[in-house]
Amino acid sequence: NAGVTQTPKFQVLKTGQSMTLQCAQDMNHEYMSWYRQDPGMGLRLIHYSVGAGITDQGEVPNGYNVSRSTTEDFPLRLLSAAPSQTSVYFCASSYESGGPYEQYFGPGTRLTVT
Amino acid sequence: AQSVTQLDSHVSVSEGTPVLLRCNYSSSYSPSLFWYVQHPNKGLQLLLKYTSAATLVKGINGFEAEFKKSETSFHLTKPSAHMSDAAEYFCVVSISNDYKLSFGAGTTVTVRA
Repeated sequence: NAGVTQTPKFQVLKTGQSMTLQCAQDMNHEYMSWYRQDPGMGLRLIHYSVGAGITDQGEVPNGYNVSRSTTEDFPLRLLSAAPSQTSVYFCASSYESGGPYEQYFGPGTRLTVT
Repeated sequence: AQSVTQLDSHVSVSEGTPVLLRCNYSSSYSPSLFWYVQHPNKGLQLLLKYTSAATLVKGINGFEAEFKKSETSFHLTKPSAHMSDAAEYFCVVSISNDYKLSFGAGTTVTVRA
């Protein structure tokens, strides 16, 4: 199993550009989520999905869109990049949401917006 | 609502000495509690978890944590630090059927030779 994979590893965008961060998992997990990590703030939930076709907002959804057309893939779209979106982005998956289920994290995408 | 407080943002220890990372939580329900580790430029990896079984939980790489309900704490310990333990550690609270995990702000561990 490859686990959770993310591409790209690094990205530099100019303000106003759009892009998609890719996330895929091969563990047949229903629950997938996107987090951003900023210094001193832990991880904050952007969007999540409890299954194909179902998505919802987390704590910090503004400026981001998601879709879940398959169980495996959960891309994150930045609509119009802003410097405040400079961060490290992690995708995670688990068997179910919440409770005792371990989250499996991807290696992260380091995004800089200039 | 649930929240997590990691009491130390940075812990520095000498190799071979004990490590203690402190975590307090608040939750309206019986929580599951986790410790994750993040090595530089890597994703997060599960160290251990508490899910209402034994209150003393053993994890990977010699770490363990004790759930104390009366103190609402879930402190992480290791008897003897190794250079490879230098990383950032996150305490996480989760409740069943709730999408939202609560992450602590993280504790950075430095190990001195």
